[in-house]
Amino acid sequence: EIVLTQSPATLSLSPGERATLSCRASQSVSSNLAWYQQKLGQAPRLLIYDASNRATGIPARFSGGGSGTDFTLTISSLEPEDFAVYYCQQRSNWPPTFGQGTRLEIK
Amino acid sequence: EMQLLESGGGLVQPGGSLRLSCAASGFTFSSYSINWVRQAPGKGLEWVSYISASSSSIYYADSVRGRFTISRDNAKNSLSLQMNSLRAEDTAVYYCAKAKNYYMDVWGKGTTVTVSS
Repeated sequence: EIVLTQSPATLSLSPGERATLSCRASQSVSSNLAWYQQKLGQAPRLLIYDASNRATGIPARFSGGGSGTDFTLTISSLEPEDFAVYYCQQRSNWPPTFGQGTRLEIK
Repeated sequence: EMQLLESGGGLVQPGGSLRLSCAASGFTFSSYSINWVRQAPGKGLEWVSYISASSSSIYYADSVRGRFTISRDNAKNSLSLQMNSLRAEDTAVYYCAKAKNYYMDVWGKGTTVTVSS
């Protein structure tokens, strides 16, 4: 099973700042990685798939990068609604696995 | 609008059974694979089970294999998860999620399962 390790566990930033979240895989997943956003009390929402493709309706301030074992999710300028928990997920090997999450909180 | 709606959660004693349902609308249910994903209180996401569009491929996480059974009825646009021999560690919010190339692009709001005596 592929283990995804996200860092940092918590990121404290202010609105308008740039956020960079990391996800590292225990072995190569090529570009088979997605990012999800989960707000408190809500279901996750798909943001990015195949490492760098934005899902339908996702604002352009969200971007994904990386391949192999190291991936990043970047939010170029934080809006108040972006403060949430973010998860990465790989589909390269069965079973699909998620990272433990990064909590993005208001500083 | 594509929607999924889970139901069937509740409080059950250890060793008991529960059947979750997921009703789909707004898309051609019979064309898509569906997953169950769960989230224990205060924890991250855990994939539980997968069923392909035609039910020809079914997979389970090691943690539930032999206890949980996934099934679907394409005529009724519905998905089920039969959960037997429930344990305290099965306590979680259970989500059904539409698969898009093994990612999950549409999620329900979830249903809560609590296993406790």
